[in-house]
Amino acid sequence: EIVLTQSPGTLSLSPGQRVTLSCRASQSVTNNNLAWYQQKPGQAPRLLIYRASFRATGVPDRFSGSGSGTDFTLTISGLEPDDFAVYYCHLYGTSPLLFGPGTKVNIK
Amino acid sequence: VQLVESGGGLVHPGRSLRLSCAASGFNFQDSAMHWVRQVPGKGPEWVSGISWKSENIGYADSVKGRFTISRDDAKNSLYLQMNSLRGEDTALYYCARADGRSHTAPPDYWGQGSLVTVSS
Repeated sequence: EIVLTQSPGTLSLSPGQRVTLSCRASQSVTNNNLAWYQQKPGQAPRLLIYRASFRATGVPDRFSGSGSGTDFTLTISGLEPDDFAVYYCHLYGTSPLLFGPGTKVNIK
Repeated sequence: VQLVESGGGLVHPGRSLRLSCAASGFNFQDSAMHWVRQVPGKGPEWVSGISWKSENIGYADSVKGRFTISRDDAKNSLYLQMNSLRGEDTALYYCARADGRSHTAPPDYWGQGSLVTVSS
């Protein structure tokens, strides 16, 4: 069974900074079936990226995804106050679907 | 897209509960659907997914044999029958639309969740 690992667990950053979040799968991901979600306190997760690099509807272009195989990255080009949240990677396309443990992005 | 869950509550271990999800704002019968749960402070955990026309269904190992997902396209509704509930099933249960017809397509829109607490 595939395991997803996210690093770092927590980040403390300032608005305007560029941030890179990592997601690693224990086996190669078929068809780049890797998504990223943002979750704020008290809210449901929001889909940001699917198929590793495609932005979901309405997602600002400061969010970008990249990677293939076992290593994937979510980049936020310039943090805005609204971006401080927890980010989860998600493996789909095969059952069971899996979520990573998350990376929390805090305001410094 | 609107997804509204209902049916959660406090239940004793070993008992049953049925969650419902009312969908609107999209062509429900053309979409796969999911149930995803989340313990506060933890990451989401996929519970179950059902394809359009109910052709394919999947479950997490943690609920297989105890939970049953189903849908009623005439009522634009998704259901989760939960039997033999355990303390570790305590979580906020989200209904989510899949981005496609497959039960393994990623969730794209989520409801606000229904809290299930299993405790004596």
